[in-house]
Amino acid sequence: GQNIDQPTEMTATEGAIVQINCTYQTSGFNGLFWYQQHAGEAPTFLSYNVLDGLEEKGRFSSFLSRSKGYSYLLLKELQMKDSASYLCAVLDSNYQLIWGAGTKLIIKP
Amino acid sequence: ETGVTQTPRHLVMGMTNKKSLKCEQHLGHNAMYWYKQSAKKPLELMFVYSLEERVENNSVPSRFSPECPNSSHLFLHLHTLQPEDSALYLCASSQRLAGAYNEQFFGPGTRLTVL
Repeated sequence: GQNIDQPTEMTATEGAIVQINCTYQTSGFNGLFWYQQHAGEAPTFLSYNVLDGLEEKGRFSSFLSRSKGYSYLLLKELQMKDSASYLCAVLDSNYQLIWGAGTKLIIKP
Repeated sequence: ETGVTQTPRHLVMGMTNKKSLKCEQHLGHNAMYWYKQSAKKPLELMFVYSLEERVENNSVPSRFSPECPNSSHLFLHLHTLQPEDSALYLCASSQRLAGAYNEQFFGPGTRLTVL
């Protein structure tokens, strides 16, 4: 079966750096998405990786290793507003999005 | 209005009620989706429409009935639901149905509680 694994919850301190990991086992691969979802709000797009390597976008970076079935989202200079759930999703060979359960990130002052 | 909108934002209904969820996208997209989001579970894809035709139905119970009258509107009709159907129902749209970098844009969701 297809599977996406990510930690259920993480805690970090304001101003610090946190890395949220995602491992996947899917039938085919056409890219990996990271979405951010604040409580009670819509998921919003953060990043898309289809080639190996690191993509940097401001305070957020996303890394992909296709051979290892692994990605991470790196958040720097954490702010209180970064408290949210972070969803990892993979486009499989049929271009269907397979979703992880999300990682709830708690930022403490 | 911009993006994807959903109404109502909150809905409480009894098991014998009939209600409908509405979704509207203002992005000119050709594909629309209904998802169910339960606590600590992955998003569950329920229905997919492309150019107003249903292309996927992931074994969803018949008490959920989708309708797509045009490419901008999507409805989810609900009847005789069960308490375990309580969840956040998210609507999303994308430029096209398939292809790489096919970002989905989500609405804020309807929080449904079935008593």
